[in-house]
Amino acid sequence: DGGITQSPKYLFRKEGQNVTLSCEQNLNHDAMYWYRQDPGQGLRLIYYSQIVNDFQKGDIAEGYSVSREKKESFPLTVTSAQKNPTAFYLCASRPRDRGQMDTEAFFGQGTRLTVV
Amino acid sequence: AQKVTQAQTEISVVEKEDVTLDCVYETRDTTYYLFWYKQPPSGELVFLIRRNSFDEQNEISGRYSWNFQKSTSSFNFTITASQVVDSAVYFCALSRGGSQGNLIFGKGTKLSVKP
Repeated sequence: DGGITQSPKYLFRKEGQNVTLSCEQNLNHDAMYWYRQDPGQGLRLIYYSQIVNDFQKGDIAEGYSVSREKKESFPLTVTSAQKNPTAFYLCASRPRDRGQMDTEAFFGQGTRLTVV
Repeated sequence: AQKVTQAQTEISVVEKEDVTLDCVYETRDTTYYLFWYKQPPSGELVFLIRRNSFDEQNEISGRYSWNFQKSTSSFNFTITASQVVDSAVYFCALSRGGSQGNLIFGKGTKLSVKP
């Protein structure tokens, strides 16, 4: 079945450690996105990538890093520079960022990160 | 600046009641998309509808209907005869220009439907 897989579902990290969240899609989508959700808040864009080996900062990129070495994978690293990393992280993808394809973004099931 | 406002933080209704979720947006783009997503307790976002800025036709899908009015920059969502399974957080979102994945979300409205 095609879809977006985020792993792990729950992640605990000690303060000061880097941690990487996985996002894999088998939908052959060019564009991928990372969003952060805090309790009672909407989603905010962290990073996005429109094509392999290219990515752009979103609204809250500080303290995060990404890579896009393969079309199907867009891992997000939460670094120790992120002051308040505890949140719910959602990955999304769609065929192309802009253009005529009238297709919405598909979201994964999310990773809940807790700093202990 | 682009912004989406969902003024209703939480709504509680009894099953079979109709309920309207409000969404007001701000943008200077002439081409943009508006979306509604549903987030059940499991966490994933479920797509409900997309509207582009040139299509102000209202839409009905079963018990769901959407009213898009550019004159008031609103894109409201109505559930008719609500059911317990409709309980979730609902997000309204606005695209940045023509990007349907680069979205600005409202803070969401938590809908509780009681039996």
